[in-house]
Order: sequence, then C-alpha cells, then structure tokens
Amino acid sequence: DQQVKQNSPSLSVQEGRISILNCDYTNSMFDYFLWYKKYPAEGPTFLISISSIKDKNEDGRFTVFLNKSAKHLSLHIVPSQPGDSAVYFCAAIQTSYDKVIFGPGTSLSVIP
Amino acid sequence: DVKVTQSSRYLVKRTGEKVFLECVQDMDHENMFWYRQDPGLGLRLIYFSYDVKMKEKGDIPEGYSVSREKKERFSLILESASTNQTSMYLCASRLDGHEKLFFGSGTQLSVL
Repeated sequence: DQQVKQNSPSLSVQEGRISILNCDYTNSMFDYFLWYKKYPAEGPTFLISISSIKDKNEDGRFTVFLNKSAKHLSLHIVPSQPGDSAVYFCAAIQTSYDKVIFGPGTSLSVIP
Repeated sequence: DVKVTQSSRYLVKRTGEKVFLECVQDMDHENMFWYRQDPGLGLRLIYFSYDVKMKEKGDIPEGYSVSREKKERFSLILESASTNQTSMYLCASRLDGHEKLFFGSGTQLSVL
C-alpha cells in the first residue's frame, strides 16, 4: 500500500499559468516533506522542502503548502515555464525512522 | 556541489548474469542509498547504508545485495539478473542527520 500518493500521473499547463501538483500521504508520523524534479535520463534534483511545523514554504516561483489535518501537500509553480516540464516526485520522511518514501511522480508539461 | 557518480548510464545484461552497479560520492556523506524507478511506482528503496560496512534492507531487497567497503563507494549487486530487474537504478547520498538526498544520473539496466 502506497504511503505517499500522487494521484495525477500527468498534468499539462500553459506557459505563464500556475501549475499545481498534489500529494497525499497516509502516515501521520511523517514530519518532513520534499519535492524533487527529474528530467529524462537524469537523476532527481531537490526542489523545495517543508517541515511539519510549517504550513507554507516559498522559494522563488515555487511554493509548497502543507495541510496536516488533510495529510495533503501541494507544489505551486508560478509562473510556469517550458523548462519546468519534468517529472515531479513528492517524498516524505519520518525523521525518527529516517526512511524517505517517494510518491509515484507527476509528469508536468508546460506548453509554450 | 555534491557529485554522485554512477559508473554506467546504460547497461544491457543477460538473464542469470551477475551485475555490479557502482556509485561514488565526493562529499564525505555517511549515508548512501540505492533506489529503482519504475513507471507508476516512483522510487523504491532497495538498500541503504548509514556508514562504512553497514547496510540495511529497504522495501524491495530481494534479488539484490550491496557492498560498502569505503565511505565514498556503494555498490549494488544483482546476484543473478532477471528480466523483472530491468529498471532505472538511482544512487543517492546524504549527510547524516540531514534530509536532502543527492542523486546520481542513474543507470538504465536492461536484462534480456
């Protein structure tokens, strides 16, 4: 049973608009969350993270929102650019257990 | 910048062969990980190592073993390759006590 879910396998967005990628988790003991971005034939690269003591973290065009009661987080990209086209993985950690659990990924296409 | 290097980008092997995947990191990270990435399944943890000569099973260790004789090097071994081990293999490293993983570029392994 997947502990970290990304229910949209793919998403298409027009350049300049907002991209919203969603992630749900089942384990309430997760206390740290990360987003990774992956281009084809490359390894994932770290994008942004959030601790469970916060509900928002922002870095330039990227903002991550955390709703602990709903066990839901989302990544907002504003404005979206063609170079953002990639697969985005949500990851969760229970720091006392120290294992990183990844979701299945969402493939984002930003159309010029 | 952290550099995680995987020895091969593409590898083709025959069923039953013994396969070695090598990973080297240059940032003196204590923790190292092997994941495999499959469509719709995300990144699944095979094995990880907290330090030299230490190893722990991940979620899908069957059919794999690992070796960590030096801090900078973490090897994944497929004892007898099978077709269901065709996958993208990703190595990652992390500083102990930190959450962020740094990934290599991946090895696309095809077992025929």
